[in-house]
Amino acid sequence: DGGITQSPKYLFRKEGQNVTLSCEQNLNHDAMYWYRQDPGQGLRLIYYSQIVNDFQKGDIAEGYSVSREKKESFPLTVTSAQKNPTAFYLCASSRDSGGKYFGPGTRLTVT
Amino acid sequence: GNSVTQMEGPVTLSEEAFLTINCTYTATGYPSLFWYVQYPGEGLQLLLKATKADDKGSNKGFEATYRKETTSFHLEKGSVQVSDSAVYFCALGPNTDKLIFGTGTRLQVFP
Repeated sequence: DGGITQSPKYLFRKEGQNVTLSCEQNLNHDAMYWYRQDPGQGLRLIYYSQIVNDFQKGDIAEGYSVSREKKESFPLTVTSAQKNPTAFYLCASSRDSGGKYFGPGTRLTVT
Repeated sequence: GNSVTQMEGPVTLSEEAFLTINCTYTATGYPSLFWYVQYPGEGLQLLLKATKADDKGSNKGFEATYRKETTSFHLEKGSVQVSDSAVYFCALGPNTDKLIFGTGTRLQVFP
């Protein structure tokens, strides 16, 4: 079955540590995205990538980094510079303007 | 700039009641409009979409019509079920990379 996988589902880290969230898709989509969701708020775009080896900052890129070395993979690193990293992180992919396909999300808690 | 406004929730209904979740937008050009649904603890799923004025998107008994004259894309369902309980997001897509989400409306359906 084609789809997007994110792992792990729940992640706990100590403040000051970098952490990398995984996102893999086997839909053969060119574009991939990372969103952050906070309680009572809509999704906010962190980074997106339209093709391999290329990515752009979204609306809230500060404190985050990404890479796109393979078409299938778009890992997100939450660095210690991110002031409020605790959130639900959603990865998505798309091929055209038909809409995005989302992964199940990773809930990151930093204490 | 482009934006999406959704009615605040939660919307609380009894099973088999009629559902309307309001969504209005501000946009330049001719964006596509989407409704996404997020079940508890999961990522978002595309529910329906409309790509031009007067288009009606429909899926699983839900419908929404792209109304350019009122800049609206209200979500409706004639008879809700307990299993419809979720958060619903209206989204606007000037292009796929810059999908703009509303803040979400939580629907709670009681038997």
